[in-house]
Amino acid sequence: NAGVTQTPKFQVLKTGQSMTLQCAQDMNHEYMSWYRQDPGMGLRLIHYSVGAGITDQGEVPNGYNVSRSTTEDFPLRLLSAAPSQTSVYFCASRRAHHRTDTQYFGPGTRLTVL
Amino acid sequence: SQKIEQNSEALNIQEGKTATLTCNYTNYSPAYLQWYRQDPGRGPVFLLLIRENEKEKRKERLKVTFDTTLKQSLFHITASQPADSATYLCALEADGNNRLAFGKGNQVVVIP
Repeated sequence: NAGVTQTPKFQVLKTGQSMTLQCAQDMNHEYMSWYRQDPGMGLRLIHYSVGAGITDQGEVPNGYNVSRSTTEDFPLRLLSAAPSQTSVYFCASRRAHHRTDTQYFGPGTRLTVL
Repeated sequence: SQKIEQNSEALNIQEGKTATLTCNYTNYSPAYLQWYRQDPGRGPVFLLLIRENEKEKRKERLKVTFDTTLKQSLFHITASQPADSATYLCALEADGNNRLAFGKGNQVVVIP
């Protein structure tokens, strides 16, 4: 198993550009989520999904869109990048129906918005 | 407001000693609490989970306690080694919708 994979590892954008951060998992996990991690702020939940076709907002959803057309993939879209979105983004997955199951994180995408 | 507090100062500890980290929370009623390890430039890695009805959980040299009255969890690394140097994150169930809330993390530096 590859676990949770994220691409790209690094990205630099200009203000106003759009892009999609990719996340995939091969563990057949229903629950997937996106976090951002900023210095001194800890991990904050952006969006999450409990299964294909179902998504919901987390703590900091503004400026981000998600969709879940398959169990494996959960892309995060930045529609019009802003410097405030400079951060490290982590995707995570686990089985949805077992709340106490291990959550697996991807290696992260480091995004800089100029 | 809801808060999860971990010490922002790094814990420097001599090899072989026990490192103890604290996680305090306010205005949450978590059914469980988790601890993760994060190395620089990498994603968090799950270490341990403790449920509200469990006082203590152990895994090899790691021990976690959970006191729902004090709203506190303690994380211990016994016989610490330089390889234990990392940032340790506390996370707890934020609500019934499968959402986790994370603390900011506490760095541990084990000195040989």
